[in-house]
Amino acid sequence: DAGVIQSPRHEVTEMGQEVTLRCKPISGHDYLFWYRQTMMRGLELLIYFNNNVPIDDSGMPEDRFSAKMPNASFSTLKIQPSEPRDSAVYFCASSKGQGNSPLHFGNGTRLTVT
Amino acid sequence: QKEVEQNSGPLSVPEGAIASLNCTYSDRVSQSFFWYRQYSGKSPELIMSIYSNGDKEDGRFTAQLNKASQYVSLLIRDSQPSDSATYLCAVTKGDNFNKFYFGSGTKLNVKP
Repeated sequence: DAGVIQSPRHEVTEMGQEVTLRCKPISGHDYLFWYRQTMMRGLELLIYFNNNVPIDDSGMPEDRFSAKMPNASFSTLKIQPSEPRDSAVYFCASSKGQGNSPLHFGNGTRLTVT
Repeated sequence: QKEVEQNSGPLSVPEGAIASLNCTYSDRVSQSFFWYRQYSGKSPELIMSIYSNGDKEDGRFTAQLNKASQYVSLLIRDSQPSDSATYLCAVTKGDNFNKFYFGSGTKLNVKP
């Protein structure tokens, strides 16, 4: 059973550039989450989807961030324009969303904005 | 007040000892509780989940939940150097069991 798949694993870009992170959840999982992890702030929930519909985007830092889930097997997190303070590890996670279902994390994308 | 609080550590224990990791949460309606292990440079991986008061054992790991006192703990028996990692506590609430609140994690060092 394939886990959550994220790409790219590493992304280095210059300030002002657009960055797109990609995620494929586990098949059959109805919930998809985007998290950001930094040393200072730990794991922060940015947004999550249920059946491809955004449910809670209160964690999205500002309008430069956007996320989409066009179908059950694909989601993107876009940052435009990127800034050095966006440097972090971005994790995608999915769950079945049935009562006590745990989160399953992807390997993450390490983003560096110079 | 943070939803989930953990001591950042590091917690150092000798190999073979019991490591005790603690987590407190602020909301009494919290419903589900999870422990994740995260090695440096890796993603969090699920170790244990617990939903009702008491103890739950899985191999060398025991999760303990006390809803009255609003804390959950993880005991690791016979600690091994390979257990050295950051342990994250996660909690979901009754009003939205799909929204996970994570603590900042406790770094555990097991010394050979």
